[in-house]
Amino acid sequence: QVQLVESGGGVVQPGRSLRLSCAASGFTFSSYAMYWVRQAPGKGLEWVALISYDGSEKYHADSVKGRFTISRDSSQNTVYLQMSSLSAEDTAVYYCARSLGKHAADYFGMDVWGQGTTVTVSS
Amino acid sequence: DIQMTQSPSSLSSSVGDRVTISCRASQPISRYLNWYQQKPGKAPELLIYAASSLQSGVPSRFSGSGSGTDFTLTISSLQREDFATYYCQQSYTKPYTFGQGTKLEIK
Repeated sequence: QVQLVESGGGVVQPGRSLRLSCAASGFTFSSYAMYWVRQAPGKGLEWVALISYDGSEKYHADSVKGRFTISRDSSQNTVYLQMSSLSAEDTAVYYCARSLGKHAADYFGMDVWGQGTTVTVSS
Repeated sequence: DIQMTQSPSSLSSSVGDRVTISCRASQPISRYLNWYQQKPGKAPELLIYAASSLQSGVPSRFSGSGSGTDFTLTISSLQREDFATYYCQQSYTKPYTFGQGTKLEIK
């Protein structure tokens, strides 16, 4: 079945780095744009990053630009989020999600979501 | 960035009620508007995309409307499993921002 499984979360000290992974299965990974979305404790959803289906285009929210980088490896059916210079404001559940539309049609929302991985930034 | 504002932030309703949630964009976004439902401790689920298209598997009591800057999610007859938080999201211009959410509670 179509599935996304995130990993890599944990407790990290301020200023340190962490890499999140999202393993995809059950669909043609290379046909879909992929997203990272986060949710701080008790707060709403925040769009973090998007990578196009072929990896040629990447977009990051202003709040993480220059610190986080989204990437993908189609040979591994995996999307990554490299996070650096972490601060307490980055504490959240991080979800990866798949674009509903294929290829360049990344504007129809996100139809498949992982269960989330929790990142806690604390000394 | 485009700001998305939902109203109300919370509401209490009863099973069987008709409920409407509004979402306003800070600039026109055509029909590039999506709605999600999130239950506590769970990932969001896509309900509506492109303002009014029902995602596969979503009950027909959910509907969406609007274009430009003003959008509406309607639940025609609330069921117990619909009590959750709802988010709108624009997908017109990156970053694809979310609204702050509307928490729907049982009266």
